[in-house]
Amino acid sequence: GAVVSQHPSRVICKSGTSVKIECRSLDFQATTMFWYRQFPKQSLMLMATSNEGSKATYEQGVEKDKFLINHASLTLSTLTVTSAHPEDSSFYICSARDQRGGGYRNEQFFGPGTRLTVL
Amino acid sequence: QQQVKQSPQSLIVQKGGISIINCAYENTAFDYFPWYQQFPGKGPALLIAIRPDVSEKKEGRFTISFNKSAKQFSLHIMDSQPGDSATYFCAASLGGGNMLTFGGGTRLMVKP
Repeated sequence: GAVVSQHPSRVICKSGTSVKIECRSLDFQATTMFWYRQFPKQSLMLMATSNEGSKATYEQGVEKDKFLINHASLTLSTLTVTSAHPEDSSFYICSARDQRGGGYRNEQFFGPGTRLTVL
Repeated sequence: QQQVKQSPQSLIVQKGGISIINCAYENTAFDYFPWYQQFPGKGPALLIAIRPDVSEKKEGRFTISFNKSAKQFSLHIMDSQPGDSATYFCAASLGGGNMLTFGGGTRLMVKP
């Protein structure tokens, strides 16, 4: 149980294009989803937190107009990197949590990540 | 300001040995301390977690030791195996799995 999927797993795009990454909770309802960014050999940095049906809360230094987050349902959140540039190349990881508790004890469960390469 | 400091950055252990990774935190309001294991190109997976009302938690070969007064906690991997070679992250949060603050990570290599 507690499986989180991400799609695509890898994406290569040209500079200036937009890329959408999907995050799905497959066997539980995620009241809260988190988006992280991880550069090579570094730790995870939280980009934003989104609650279903609400606007995302972005961490300091993260451009909300560049990283658009939508959490329209309890099982799906999307991250759109708009007008991507080479410096946006990174490993993007989502996580999901059922804040209502229950069998999964309020844990955050992580997706497998999406490797974005912007040429 | 880095709220969770992790050491060492890298660790090499012989098969069968004990791997020890340490973390220190600053915010005394943290009430949940998980450890995650991450393989290259994959997302982190929860390994074991502890709350500050206990000093130790053991699950199989993995043990967390927690020292509230020192604001430190550590992960011990007993009988380390080559398959344990991965990057390990400690984290801390308020309110269970909410708003995790991660340590810098430890790259563990277990030599056969």
